[in-house]
Amino acid sequence: DSGVTQTPKHLITATGQRVTLRCSPRSGDLSVYWYQQSLDQGLQFLIQYYNGEERAKGNILERFSAQQFPDLHSELNLSSLELGDSALYFCASSVDGGADAYEQYFGPGTRLTVT
Amino acid sequence: KNQVEQSPQSLIILEGKNCTLQCNYTVSPFSNLRWYKQDTGRGPVSLTIMTFSENTKSNGRYTATLDADTKQSSLHITASQLSDSASYICVVSWPNDYKLSFGAGTTVTVRA
Repeated sequence: DSGVTQTPKHLITATGQRVTLRCSPRSGDLSVYWYQQSLDQGLQFLIQYYNGEERAKGNILERFSAQQFPDLHSELNLSSLELGDSALYFCASSVDGGADAYEQYFGPGTRLTVT
Repeated sequence: KNQVEQSPQSLIILEGKNCTLQCNYTVSPFSNLRWYKQDTGRGPVSLTIMTFSENTKSNGRYTATLDADTKQSSLHITASQLSDSASYICVVSWPNDYKLSFGAGTTVTVRA
């Protein structure tokens, strides 16, 4: 158990809909990262927040947005969903958001299925 | 073109045998190189983290090496166990940046 929690575990929704994925980082971690992992594809970095502020952006679509709240939990909002958005979405947290050797601890993921 | 290339894409080994996974990267300079293990449907778990100045790092039966001159890293699994069946992912981070470059992973299957 990494200490990172994600809800829900599974989500099935229809195209065009909007969903919110939630992540609670490990106690004491200030940085939260979101990743997408589609079938047959590697992990794709979406976005990072550090202590409530956006720090880095990866391959995140305009239909997707995220935020980190004062209690440090984070939400990833996916809107106008398409079939291709079906994937595993992981959240990770780390103590510091710097590009150093700090570990990133991954949550169990949310499996999103768009039908 | 992906900046982190891993080989082989997959491999099958017998329990108790050793194997070596390769990672070639073009990110230069880089801050650190990490190897993760990901069981199917689970989140990745960190095995090793090496800065550019380190040559080797061990974690139990897992040993990672790094050659910054050739921009290559390898992950050696010793005396494989059935529980080693997983995807192994090489990740390179950029200095003074928060971007991570992920390899596509090597899928290892250990058979009894």
